[in-house]
Amino acid sequence: AQSVAQPEDQVNVAEGNPLTVKCTYSVSGNPYLFWYVQYPNRGLQFLLKYITGDNLVKGSYGFEAEFNKSQTSFHLKKPSALVSDSALYFCAVRDEPGNTGKLIFGQGTTLQVKP
Amino acid sequence: DAGVIQSPRHEVTEMGQEVTLRCKPISGHDYLFWYRQTMMRGLELLIYFNNNVPIDDSGMPEDRFSAKMPNASFSTLKIQPSEPRDSAVYFCASSPGTVGLLDTQYFGPGTRLTVL
Repeated sequence: AQSVAQPEDQVNVAEGNPLTVKCTYSVSGNPYLFWYVQYPNRGLQFLLKYITGDNLVKGSYGFEAEFNKSQTSFHLKKPSALVSDSALYFCAVRDEPGNTGKLIFGQGTTLQVKP
Repeated sequence: DAGVIQSPRHEVTEMGQEVTLRCKPISGHDYLFWYRQTMMRGLELLIYFNNNVPIDDSGMPEDRFSAKMPNASFSTLKIQPSEPRDSAVYFCASSPGTVGLLDTQYFGPGTRLTVL
């Protein structure tokens, strides 16, 4: 069965510093990986996804993520954090396309960027 | 485009009452998803539709929960009877379907349900 783990409940970063939000996954076939962000009292917003191709994926708002097959990881990164990046971040994974495939979300990581 | 529209935004009801949550997906999207978010269980997929047909409802917690999609522009999630443990934020999402289930999902603002 596919699963995704976000090992940190919260990440604290000072504004201007680089940030990393970790995600590891487990699937039986090729993974399809996503990052979503949720601002307070809002629905989730898509940031980026890895389907195939380059291991470094660039997404919205200056975020990027690196797919590492050997470490089964898909960490979200940003070179310079902004206070406005403070939000709840979800990693999600699904297995090979199929009629009954689902997107499985991690528990979420709260990112707190301090001025 | 207005995005995914959900109503109501907040619902407070008493145990035993029927609750109906509504969703209007983005026009032209072929997939519609219902999720539930709680502190304890995180974000869970309840059910999803493709072209108005329910494909996977294995996440629906009990028979008290039911979902329908009578047409491409409207879906409902009904809880009857409601219980306090159903208190959560319920999200509806839709996706275009151009690459099937690998498409980006677009989420609505959610309905915060409180069952007293």
